[in-house]
Formats: sequence, structure tokens, C-alpha cells
Amino acid sequence: ETGVTQSPTHLIKTRGQQVTLRCSSQSGHNTVSWYQQALGQGPQFIFQYYREEENGRGNFPPRFSGLQFPNYSSELNVNALELDDSALYLCASSLARQGRHEAFFGQGTRLTVV
Amino acid sequence: RKEVEQDPGPFNVPEGATVAFNCTYSNSASQSFFWYRQDCRKEPKLLMSVYSSGNEDGRFTAQLNRASQYISLLIRDSKLSDSATYLCVVIHLGNTPLVFGKGTRLSVIA
Repeated sequence: ETGVTQSPTHLIKTRGQQVTLRCSSQSGHNTVSWYQQALGQGPQFIFQYYREEENGRGNFPPRFSGLQFPNYSSELNVNALELDDSALYLCASSLARQGRHEAFFGQGTRLTVV
Repeated sequence: RKEVEQDPGPFNVPEGATVAFNCTYSNSASQSFFWYRQDCRKEPKLLMSVYSSGNEDGRFTAQLNRASQYISLLIRDSKLSDSATYLCVVIHLGNTPLVFGKGTRLSVIA
């Protein structure tokens, strides 16, 4: 088992509401990335945080925002939820060193927007 | 064109069969390559890294062809427990995010 944990594991929200998802990172990892995985699709990159700064963003609107804390844990916030936001949200904790890259995923948060 | 493309699935194979998955990537500057396995309704888990000319881990062999921008995964002597979705993943540089293919679903049948 990895040291990456996400909460909550499942969530049901109403269209227009706001949601906050949380992720704790693997010990020693300073980078956290968030991905959205719709049913039958591969995970799509939302954004990445390195040492508390956003250092990369995918093709997602500004209502998707995030934070990384000094202990490298992270939050994903989504405002004005839409039905299409229903998906599995994955957090990955990673570290790149000596030319190698290791990334571990949390178990995901399954968000349903109704 | 998607950055990472994989064979469409599903692949339905009998136990003991050998099965191969292919993946192509569009960014020639890509540096790191991986195969992840994802079970139904679970998170992706690293199966193999492919850093140079390929590597082998038991029944699994991954190959990389930089000239053709192509990687493959070969599974020999398939087991029922190999049934899962296999995701091809590419990293462009250092600590940049993972770029996933859509995944190929494998069902191993008794």
C-alpha cells in the first residue's frame, strides 16, 4: 500500500454546489498532481503542485482550483459543479530524482453530481 | 491526434495465452515511459517502468522504440488475475505530469 490517501472516497453533490477533495502525499514526495478520470477514459491531468506552487495545469476551467500545504498534502476545489464533473478524481504523489520518476496514486474520490 | 494512443480493447484471451499491447506517443521529447494497471473502480498502480531499451519482470516484458515512438507490453502465460485495464503513460520532462493513454482492457477467460 502507498502512503497516499484521499478523502472522502465517495461523494454525491448537487449541480451548482462546491466540493473540496483532499489528498495526503507519500512521505518524501514534494509534488502532487490531480487527475480526473471519466468512465471508460484514461485519467486527464488537472493541475500539479510543487512545493506549494502550481507548476502545471491541464485543460480545465478556473472553477477547478487547488492548494498544497507545507506538509505537501493537497486539496482540489471545484466550484459551480456540473453534471459532467461526475468522475473519479485521483491524486498522485511523486518525486523525480536522479533521472527517475516515481508516482503513487491514492485510491481516488468518486464524485457524483446530480 | 492524442498525445498517447493505445490499441482499442477489449482483449479477450484464454488462460495461458500470450497477449501484446501497443502504445504510440506523439511528443518526441518524451523521456519516461510506464505501464500502469488499473482494476475496476480502483486507482492505477505502476506495473512497469520502461527507461531504455525495455525490461522484463517475470511474465511481463516492456519494449521501447524511440525512433518509432512506440512502446509495447507483452504478457506471457496469462492468468485470470491479469484481467484489468492497462494504461500506457508518458512523461515529457523530469517532474512534469503523467500523460495517460485511454487504456486497453484485458479479460482473461478460464
